Amino acid sequence: TQLLEQSPQFLSIQEGENLTVYCNSSSVFSSLQWYRQEPGEGPVLLVTVVTGGEVKKLKRLTFQFGDARKDSSLHITAAQPGDTGLYLCAGGSNYKLTFGKGTLLTVNP
Amino acid sequence: EAGVTQSPTHLIKTRGQQATLRCSPISGHTSVYWYQQALGLGLQFLLWYDEGEERNRGNFPPRFSGRQFPNYSSELNVNALELEDSALYLCASNSRRFHGYTFGSGTRLTVV
Repeated sequence: TQLLEQSPQFLSIQEGENLTVYCNSSSVFSSLQWYRQEPGEGPVLLVTVVTGGEVKKLKRLTFQFGDARKDSSLHITAAQPGDTGLYLCAGGSNYKLTFGKGTLLTVNP
Repeated sequence: EAGVTQSPTHLIKTRGQQATLRCSPISGHTSVYWYQQALGLGLQFLLWYDEGEERNRGNFPPRFSGRQFPNYSSELNVNALELEDSALYLCASNSRRFHGYTFGSGTRLTVV
């Protein structure tokens, strides 16, 4: 069974602060994706990383895939209240995604 | 381009009843995935359909079943509802060339 562990589970910060959330597994995945989910909505894809060591930037968000393709991190610079939500990582293998339980981020104005 | 649509948005059922949830994927997407998101448990994989066939199922009892129609829309059926089945049921679709899923907004099922 492939498992993804995310940390921290909850994170509450002030606007303007930086933060990093982590996604770790003992399994190797062909791809690693990050999603953001707001209350009452489905998750929305932020990024897909497929190459070990890959780094992708999306405005203030930086995503990194570990060299061994077992872990990933999401770094947000100068967080804003609009970044509030549940951040989910998901490992892809054979067209199936396994999700972590998520990091619930609250950015206070 | 229309996204993934799910219906109904909310469903209230009594224990022991049956629930039917529906999903229409993005046009051109042949794969449909169903996930259950219960409080505290994260997204749990239920079923994957592609080209009308069930390709994989998660660790759920047989009373969770579904099908995919020729137009690639899908239906999830849950029989003999239990209180623990209360959750947000999410449907997602993707194409073979892309790793990411596009999710619908979900159906909130409440079993009382």
